Amino acid sequence: DAGVIQSPRHEVTEMGQEVTLRCKPISGHNSLFWYRQTMMRGLELLIYFNNNVPIDDSGMPEDRFSAKMPNASFSTLKIQPSEPRDSAVYFCASSSPSGRAFGELFFGEGSRLTVL
Amino acid sequence: AQSVAQPEDQVNVAEGNPLTVKCTYSVSGNPYLFWYVQYPNRGLQFLLKYITGDNLVKGSYGFEAEFNKSQTSFHLKKPSALVSDSALYFCAVSSASGGYQKVTFGTGTKLQVIP
Repeated sequence: DAGVIQSPRHEVTEMGQEVTLRCKPISGHNSLFWYRQTMMRGLELLIYFNNNVPIDDSGMPEDRFSAKMPNASFSTLKIQPSEPRDSAVYFCASSSPSGRAFGELFFGEGSRLTVL
Repeated sequence: AQSVAQPEDQVNVAEGNPLTVKCTYSVSGNPYLFWYVQYPNRGLQFLLKYITGDNLVKGSYGFEAEFNKSQTSFHLKKPSALVSDSALYFCAVSSASGGYQKVTFGTGTKLQVIP
């Protein structure tokens, strides 16, 4: 399996622009997570889905952030409008509900966002 | 609310010496505990986990961790450090009562192995 695939790997945009980050989880995994990593705040859980349904979005910073999972193999995280303080590395992760890998998160390589 | 504390921002150890990276946790109910490693410009990689059973857990790359319920700790250890172990290490916790999928990470500890 190719692992969790995120795109783009790097994004540089100007304040006010819309940003869309994409994630393809590992096939067969039924949970998907979006995390944000910054030096100041560390690793923060933004939202997670179970069987394509958002379960907990309490970590989403504000209404400018939205996430969708239209099917089991694709998720997006959108920021509109973007602000400089959104600059961070955004990670997608997926996990399996059972088996040897129970509870383990498989992370993508991240999308590094810079908002000027 | 569940939480993880990694009291050391950085740990320095000489190559060949044993290493310990500390972690304590707070959670309602029985904890699920994890260690992950992050190399520069990469995503986090799973190292090992404690779900139930033996308190001493062995994982990838020769790492192990000991679950201590009375001290609510889950320290990461390795008998002999390698320069290639230099990376950022994260402890994490979740619980069945909290919905096991909601994983909370510590702030990370940078491990520097000195040749």
